[in-house]
Amino acid sequence: AQSVTQPDIHITVSEGASLELRCNYSYGATPYLFWYVQSPGQGLQLLLKYFSGDTLVQGIKGFEAEFKRSQSSFNLRKPSVHWSDAAEYFCAGGGGADGLTFGKGTHLIIQP
Amino acid sequence: SQTIHQWPATLVQPVGSPLSLECTVEGTSNPNLYWYRQAAGRGLQLLFYSVGIGQISSEVPQNLSASRPQDRQFILSSKKLLLSDSGFYLCAWSGGTNTGELFFGEGSRLTVL
Repeated sequence: AQSVTQPDIHITVSEGASLELRCNYSYGATPYLFWYVQSPGQGLQLLLKYFSGDTLVQGIKGFEAEFKRSQSSFNLRKPSVHWSDAAEYFCAGGGGADGLTFGKGTHLIIQP
Repeated sequence: SQTIHQWPATLVQPVGSPLSLECTVEGTSNPNLYWYRQAAGRGLQLLFYSVGIGQISSEVPQNLSASRPQDRQFILSSKKLLLSDSGFYLCAWSGGTNTGELFFGEGSRLTVL
């Protein structure tokens, strides 16, 4: 069965520091992969997506993610976080009409 | 541009009462439509999806049902709510590119007391 795993439930990072959020997937073939961000009480906003081609993808708000087939990973990175980046982050995979499979999310806390 | 609307944004209902959450998409035609539920610490669980009017696929057995009476309208219902139905419900749509990218509404917070 296809699955997406986010190993870290909470991550705390100091403002200005770099960030990496982990995501691992389990699919029979390379899936389409996504990162979404959710502010409290809001819907999900797409940060970036990977379909094929260049394994390093750029997204909005200064985020990027790298697809590594050998590690079945699609980690999200940002060189320098801002207090406004505090939110819940979801990795997701899929690509068919039956929707996306989401990880359980990583709650990002930014320390001043 | 495409937009998606959900209502109500917040709902407090007693156990055993009915439920109706509505979702409407504008600016596109024949979208795929989805209902997800988000419970604390459990990520997003797909409840229902629809690829066309009157076509509903259920992902998990539960106390809920879905309907798609019009091309861009998706409704989540229950005849009798349970305490376990509490959660944050998200409607989403995707286009015909078959790449699976979902666009989400702002969500509906349901509390069953």
